[in-house]
Amino acid sequence: DIQMTQSPSTLSAFVGDRVTITCRASQSFSDWLAWYQQKPGRAPKLLISKASTLEVGVPSRFSGSGSGTEFTLTISSLQPDDFATYYCQQYTTYPWTFGQGTKVEIK
Amino acid sequence: QITLKESGPTLVEPTQTLTLTCTFSDFSLTTGGVGVGWIRQPPGKALEWVADIYWNGEINYGPSLRSRLTITKDTSKNQVVLTMTNVDPVDTGTYYCAHRRVHRGLDYWGQGTLVTVSS
Repeated sequence: DIQMTQSPSTLSAFVGDRVTITCRASQSFSDWLAWYQQKPGRAPKLLISKASTLEVGVPSRFSGSGSGTEFTLTISSLQPDDFATYYCQQYTTYPWTFGQGTKVEIK
Repeated sequence: QITLKESGPTLVEPTQTLTLTCTFSDFSLTTGGVGVGWIRQPPGKALEWVADIYWNGEINYGPSLRSRLTITKDTSKNQVVLTMTNVDPVDTGTYYCAHRRVHRGLDYWGQGTLVTVSS
C-alpha cells in the first residue's frame, strides 16, 4: 500500500495568511492525487484532482502542486470559511489511501 | 445535480452483517468512466477508502476488509449496496458513498450514515 503522510497535523493561522500543507507518499507516482476539505459533521469536499486541477467552483486561492513523493496544497490568503480539516488521497494504485489529515485552526 | 444518499442501520451487533445502500440520482452506472465508492471515517479519525464499483463491473476492495465485503450495483434502481460480514466495534464510524469519474477524485459525496457496532 502507498502510505500518505501529511504535515503538519495541525496548523494555526490568521485570516489572510498563506498556508501550505504537505503530503508525502511512501512510493513515487505521477499526479493521481486529490485534496479534500472537510468541516465538522460534513462530508468531504473535493478541491483538487490530478495534483493541481482545481474543481469547478473552488476558489482560486486554493492551488495544488507536486509529483513523485511530495505534493502540496496552498491557500494563498486564508479566509474564515477555510478553517477545516484537509486530506490528501492517492488514486494511482489500489488500495486508495488518504493522509491522516491536517486541521487548520484560527490563530 | 448529482446526489447520493446512504441508508442502513444505525446500530449493529458484533458478528452481525451490515448492509448499506447508496441511492443516487442524476448519473448512471452504465455511463463509461463512472464509479461509486465507499469511504468510512471512525469518530474523530481519518478517512479510509473501503471499496468501489464501476460502470464496467470492475470492483476493488480494501485489502484489510476484502474477506468481509461485497459490493454490488443495481443500475435499474440507481443503487450500490455494500455488505460487510462479521462486524466488530472497530467498524464503527460514518460511512460515505461517493461518485467519481476516471482520472478524477471523489467529486460528489453523500451526507454519510453513522453506524455503531455494539452489543
